[in-house]
Amino acid sequence: GAVVSQHPSWVICKSGTSVKIECRSLDFQATTMFWYRQFPKQSLMLMATSNEGSKATYEQGVEKDKFLINHASLTLSTLTVTSAHPEDSSFYICSARESDLSNYEQYFGPGTRLTVT
Amino acid sequence: GQNIDQPTEMTATEGAIVQINCTYQTSGFNGLFWYQQHAGEAPTFLSYNVLDGLEEKGRFSSFLSRSKGYSYLLLKELQMKDSASYLCAVSDSNYQLIWGAGTKLIIKP
Repeated sequence: GAVVSQHPSWVICKSGTSVKIECRSLDFQATTMFWYRQFPKQSLMLMATSNEGSKATYEQGVEKDKFLINHASLTLSTLTVTSAHPEDSSFYICSARESDLSNYEQYFGPGTRLTVT
Repeated sequence: GQNIDQPTEMTATEGAIVQINCTYQTSGFNGLFWYQQHAGEAPTFLSYNVLDGLEEKGRFSSFLSRSKGYSYLLLKELQMKDSASYLCAVSDSNYQLIWGAGTKLIIKP
């Protein structure tokens, strides 16, 4: 099956620093990638949708200047949390879909646990 | 607005059967997904329904009624490893997934 990887799997950083999370589709080309955030005991919250070669579409309430998304190729998207604060501590999960306008299944990465001290 | 409703938590006994319901109101419908998520892990795909009826896959089955905006996930012969959250998600007219809050399933011996 389709595999999506994320790196790092966990990261601890100091408040005010920036953290970059990578999401890769290993055996397929992902036209669309999604970034989610999940706080403890809560459901997934979609942060943004990124399409290869174009700007990401952010959900309402998500600061695009704080959460920088780059989808430079069909197999890689990155999420950079800039000037991180403790309230940004969360589980960040990416998913990838093979086709843009289709109902293909979203394949999820294993997630990245971010702790900001 | 768009809305997905599912129970917050359910408890069942090992070896038994449990049904997790999901009702939805969305702008358009292009299918309904069920995902399983163990604590601290990413969701994994369980099933996809786009036509009315029952889809069976081993111990898990999923049912859809589009006219009623209703789906359920049926888990048979429950095992302790089935303890997890089960997420219902609907693909809307723009093929975006609208997620339910998830149902935490607790299996007791």
